[in-house]
Amino acid sequence: SQKIEQNSEALNIQEGKTATLTCNYTNYSPAYLQWYRQDPGRGPVFLLLIRENEKEKRKERLKVTFDTTLKQSLFHITASQPADSATYLCALAAGGYQKVTFGTGTKLQVIP
Amino acid sequence: DSGVTQTPKHLITATGQRVTLRCSPRSGDLSVYWYQQSLDQGLQFLIQYYNGEERAKGNILERFSAQQFPDLHSELNLSSLELGDSALYFCASSVTGTHVGDTQYFGPGTRLTVL
Repeated sequence: SQKIEQNSEALNIQEGKTATLTCNYTNYSPAYLQWYRQDPGRGPVFLLLIRENEKEKRKERLKVTFDTTLKQSLFHITASQPADSATYLCALAAGGYQKVTFGTGTKLQVIP
Repeated sequence: DSGVTQTPKHLITATGQRVTLRCSPRSGDLSVYWYQQSLDQGLQFLIQYYNGEERAKGNILERFSAQQFPDLHSELNLSSLELGDSALYFCASSVTGTHVGDTQYFGPGTRLTVL
């Protein structure tokens, strides 16, 4: 069956360092992959989208890579700040009618 | 603020009851999605509507139903509630729901507690 795996353990990182979060998937051929940020008790907020034919996408301090051979996406936050502390979700869709599947998320804690 | 509104914010009810959750999409968005998020399950896609018609179905129980009205607002009906239905229910909207990569904008959620 289709599976999306994100590191369920929290990631603690020192302010100013680069945080790297991983999203692995199996039995899936996604047309695109998205990353969302979710704060406690609030709805997810869209951050970045990368398509299957793109290797890398950047937006300000954020960078996403997508390796369809490894079936993996990496999400980087450079120069991390305490305000970046949140849970980050990856989401995949095969395309078409937007049937999106979310990972369980990785909680990031940036320590001042 | 995403522009998606959900009511009520909190709902406490008893097992066996029925509740209705309401969602208004962003202005101009035609597609509405419903998700359930519980602590041990993550964000689970329930159902999607596009311009009033059901477009995609996920892990939605038969006790649950939804619809999208002509004004594009949507309601999620949960009946014969069980303790395990306690969760955060999110609504999201997008412009079309058919274009690859259409961004979903999430509402603030309704926290349902079944006692």
